[in-house]
Amino acid sequence: EAQVTQNPRYLITVTGKKLTVTCSQNMNHEYMSWYRQDPGLGLRQIYYSMNVEVTDKGDVPEGYKVSRKEKRNFPLILESPSPNQTSLYFCASSLGSTGELFFGEGSRLTVL
Amino acid sequence: DQQVKQNSPSLSVQEGRISILNCDYTNSMFDYFLWYKKYPAEGPTFLISISSIKDKNEDGRFTVFLNKSAKHLSLHIVPSQPGDSAVYFCAATSSGNTGKLIFGQGTTLQVKP
Repeated sequence: EAQVTQNPRYLITVTGKKLTVTCSQNMNHEYMSWYRQDPGLGLRQIYYSMNVEVTDKGDVPEGYKVSRKEKRNFPLILESPSPNQTSLYFCASSLGSTGELFFGEGSRLTVL
Repeated sequence: DQQVKQNSPSLSVQEGRISILNCDYTNSMFDYFLWYKKYPAEGPTFLISISSIKDKNEDGRFTVFLNKSAKHLSLHIVPSQPGDSAVYFCAATSSGNTGKLIFGQGTTLQVKP
């Protein structure tokens, strides 16, 4: 089954404790991206990757890092999480950069 | 600066009637537009898209209209069904800035039986 898998789905952590949200897709897609969803703000792009070892900032990259060492994986790293990073995070992938995006089910992160 | 705006946070329609969801954009470089649907506790799913070379695209009960001069697009759902109740996001991108997809705030549609 074609899918984008994110882990963890739910996480409560404390300020400053590094965490990684993993994202994996099994569709051999070149393009992957991360979004956060906040009330009244919709989906905002954090980072995106056009291919292996090619990443670029989205609209809200501050406080986040990403890497794309393999085509299928695109982890989101919060080196020192802060409460303003409490949000619902979505990973997505597509064959091309303007193609249909396939989203994961989301990871709800709470930073205390 | 919100480049893609959905000014109606919510919309309620009766089953069988037409639902019209609106979206405005400010960046004239956008040339490709998409609509996504999101159910609670799920990720968004792609619904329909339109290129700026067209002014209409249809897929079953869903039609997207693009008015480039007004920088406005709309999604029409006819007839609306209770299963269409979800949050709808419009999104835009430009072929000159591939990879950056900008979403609106979303509109929650409720279709009443």
